[in-house]
Amino acid sequence: SYELTQPPSMSVSPGQTARITCFGDALPKQYAYWYQQKPGQAPVVMIYKDNERPSGIPERFSGSSSGTTVTLTISGVQTEDEADYYCQSTDSSGTWLFGGGTRLTVL
Amino acid sequence: EVQLLESGGGLVQPGGSLRLSCAASGFTFSTYAMTWVRQAPGKGLEWVSSISASGLRTYYADSVKGRFTISRDSSRNTLFGQMNSLRVEDTAVYYCARDDCSDTDCYAGIDYWGQGTVVTVSS
Repeated sequence: SYELTQPPSMSVSPGQTARITCFGDALPKQYAYWYQQKPGQAPVVMIYKDNERPSGIPERFSGSSSGTTVTLTISGVQTEDEADYYCQSTDSSGTWLFGGGTRLTVL
Repeated sequence: EVQLLESGGGLVQPGGSLRLSCAASGFTFSTYAMTWVRQAPGKGLEWVSSISASGLRTYYADSVKGRFTISRDSSRNTLFGQMNSLRVEDTAVYYCARDDCSDTDCYAGIDYWGQGTVVTVSS
């Protein structure tokens, strides 16, 4: 069955760049979305349609796509970026899928 | 301002039923596809079901197919989720979400989330 694969965790220091990857066979044909979720809160969309950033999301967040991999990049990580990040996409049948999530720790 | 307010969660015994509601405001509800997503305690996000803007097309995860029915009432700007034959593994926070739609199309992604309603299935 179709899956989206993310690293379960990542650690970076403030000011560094974090790159969170998401792998899936259908990603070359379907858009990917990225959501940030902090403890006890609802998710928030950070990137939509692979690389578009909603208004109000800091410019340090960006998205890219290459073949079967999409990447969320956080340039100049700040302490408030510590959160869980989920990629999400779909297959052609209308079934949605979330990646398992990546816990970003800012040391 | 887009607002999505879920209700209807609670404690229910295995085999029981619940009806989730999501009151939408701040946008033209009838022009957006909508989605339910859930999150079990300490776990990741899981897509549950989606419904087209017209309500004519519905989609379900295998884990809930045959037990969950998504519907909408555009006259009341409300999304529903009827949950039957509930199992312990259905215990989760259930989020209502608005799909990412343009003037002409909807994409399989979310641009707004509600705050969630808690469903606990336990004897």
